[in-house]
Amino acid sequence: EPEVTQTPSHQVTQMGQEVILRCVPISNHLYFYWYRQILGQKVEFLVSFYNNEISEKSEIFDDQFSVERPDGSNFTLKIRSTKLEDSAMYFCASSQTSGARADTQYFGPGTRLTVL
Amino acid sequence: EDQVTQSPEALRLQEGESSSLNCSYTVSGLRGLFWYRQDPGKGPEFLFTLYSAGEEKEKERLKATLTKKESFLHITAPKPEDSATYLCAVQAFGNRDDKIIFGKGTRLHILP
Repeated sequence: EPEVTQTPSHQVTQMGQEVILRCVPISNHLYFYWYRQILGQKVEFLVSFYNNEISEKSEIFDDQFSVERPDGSNFTLKIRSTKLEDSAMYFCASSQTSGARADTQYFGPGTRLTVL
Repeated sequence: EDQVTQSPEALRLQEGESSSLNCSYTVSGLRGLFWYRQDPGKGPEFLFTLYSAGEEKEKERLKATLTKKESFLHITAPKPEDSATYLCAVQAFGNRDDKIIFGKGTRLHILP
């Protein structure tokens, strides 16, 4: 069964450093997302991406964040200068379509980001 | 503002003891309601999508139902391997994007 994959599974970085989190969405999916989950809290939307551009972003997704689809398979989230409060699990998700009827988003296993 | 509230926060059951988890939602217009299962340190695993009031879906010991204001996840004769956090999430009309709004989840623990 196709699945979303993410690398690395765990990333430790120093405050102020740049990190890139990588995702390979399900191959025939067209819509891509990043969410995050701070320990003990709910899963929160960060950004959605379609047709090589951002569709929507949340208040969390400030200028320190960027997303890119550098090739036909990868989808990346870059945090330019990490802060302590960026420590969280980051989940990539993808869905096949978007229309009047909600399409299921499938989530990857996550990358645990620890900022020291 | 679109909101999802899940109850209870935590639930401990004996193996075989059936129960229900509740998800109340407030949205401008519901495009879909999702149930996911999340194990510790893992990503949400898709269970069900419900689209309209009256709809029901089943998978093994789980059954999800939907009304205009809430959804229930019924678990029948649970086993210890059903222990996990169950997340409810909604997608609403009126957004440019397809973001999912999650509830805080119900932590379910099944005792052998």
